[in-house]
Amino acid sequence: AQSVTQPDIHITVSEGASLELRCNYSYGATPYLFWYVQSPGQGLQLLLKYFSGDTLVQGIKGFEAEFKRSQSSFNLRKPSVHWSDAAEYFCAVGYSSGGSYIPTFGRGTSLIVHP
Amino acid sequence: DSGVTQTPKHLITATGQRVTLRCSPRSGDLSVYWYQQSLDQGLQFLIQYYNGEERAKGNILERFSAQQFPDLHSELNLSSLELGDSALYFCASSVRRGTGELFFGEGSRLTVL
Repeated sequence: AQSVTQPDIHITVSEGASLELRCNYSYGATPYLFWYVQSPGQGLQLLLKYFSGDTLVQGIKGFEAEFKRSQSSFNLRKPSVHWSDAAEYFCAVGYSSGGSYIPTFGRGTSLIVHP
Repeated sequence: DSGVTQTPKHLITATGQRVTLRCSPRSGDLSVYWYQQSLDQGLQFLIQYYNGEERAKGNILERFSAQQFPDLHSELNLSSLELGDSALYFCASSVRRGTGELFFGEGSRLTVL
């Protein structure tokens, strides 16, 4: 069965510092991988996705992620964090079911940004 | 604004009761997904519909049911409610059968007292 592990429940960074959020997945086939962000009181918004091709993918809001098949990882990065990036971040792996890909989500990482 | 509309935003009810949550997908999206978010379980996939037909089922309880109507809106029915059903219920939609790239509504927060 597919699964996603986000080992860090909380991460605290200073504004302007770099950020890396970790994500490891378990899935037997070629994965579809996603990062979503959830601001307080909001639904989830897609930051970026990996389906195939270049293993370094660019997303919205200056985020990028790198797919490493050998490590089963899809870590999210940002070179300089802004206070508005404070939110909950979810990694997901899409598994095939009934002709669709159903995202299975990790437990999330809460990002706290200090001024 | 994702274009996915969920109603009601908040709902408070008592144990044993039944509620219906409604979702309107983005214009043109045929696929609707329901997720439950709680502190205990995180984000759990419940069920997916595509153009009116059930396509995938996740950890959905027998007390819960869903359907997608010809106009593509969807409803999630929760019955015989228990305290543990208190959660945020999200609807999401995607194009065609979906690649997992979902557009989420803002959720319906259910509190069971």
